[in-house]
Amino acid sequence: DGGITQSPKYLFRKEGQNVTLSCEQNLNHDAMYWYRQDPGQGLRLIYYSQIVNDFQKGDIAEGYSVSREKKESFPLTVTSAQKNPTAFYLCASSIDRADSLTFGDGTRLSIL
Amino acid sequence: SQQGEEDPQALSIQEGENATMNCSYKTSINNLQWYRQNSGRGLVHLILIRSNEREKHSGRLRVTLDTSKKSSSLLITASRAADTASYFCATDPWNTGNQFYFGTGTSLTVIP
Repeated sequence: DGGITQSPKYLFRKEGQNVTLSCEQNLNHDAMYWYRQDPGQGLRLIYYSQIVNDFQKGDIAEGYSVSREKKESFPLTVTSAQKNPTAFYLCASSIDRADSLTFGDGTRLSIL
Repeated sequence: SQQGEEDPQALSIQEGENATMNCSYKTSINNLQWYRQNSGRGLVHLILIRSNEREKHSGRLRVTLDTSKKSSSLLITASRAADTASYFCATDPWNTGNQFYFGTGTSLTVIP
């Protein structure tokens, strides 16, 4: 069945460490997104990509980086510059901007 | 912020009753979508309504859109315990490229 796979489900980061969250889709969707979810604040957009080798910053891109080398994959790196990384991270994809989003089941990142 | 706002923040009803959630937003949109999120999981798309539509139905769901008031409502009829989840609206504003903006969500509890 087609869908989005996020891994790992839980991740712990030490001070000064970069960590990478994986997102893979087999839906043949062109657009992919990363959202951060904090309690009581809804979802906020970190980065999005409409095509391979192209991506744009969302509202809260500082301290994060992405790549889109393959259509199926859109990994997110949480760098040491992100001082408050504890959150639930959700990856999503869509056929195009007029369509609905399909979400993965998220990665919960915590600080050690 | 371009985020929408859902109202109420939390809603508790008995099984079999109807549940109504509202979403208000700030800018002109192409479409508005509703999503559901079970605890600790990703979001699941429920229904999309375009800016030129006023009402849409899908099973026990009824969505209305009033672009003059910049608001939408989601009605779940004959609720079931399995409807217990958080519900989010997401807007696709005219002038923000390929971004979707999510509200802060309504937490629905259906008591068996």
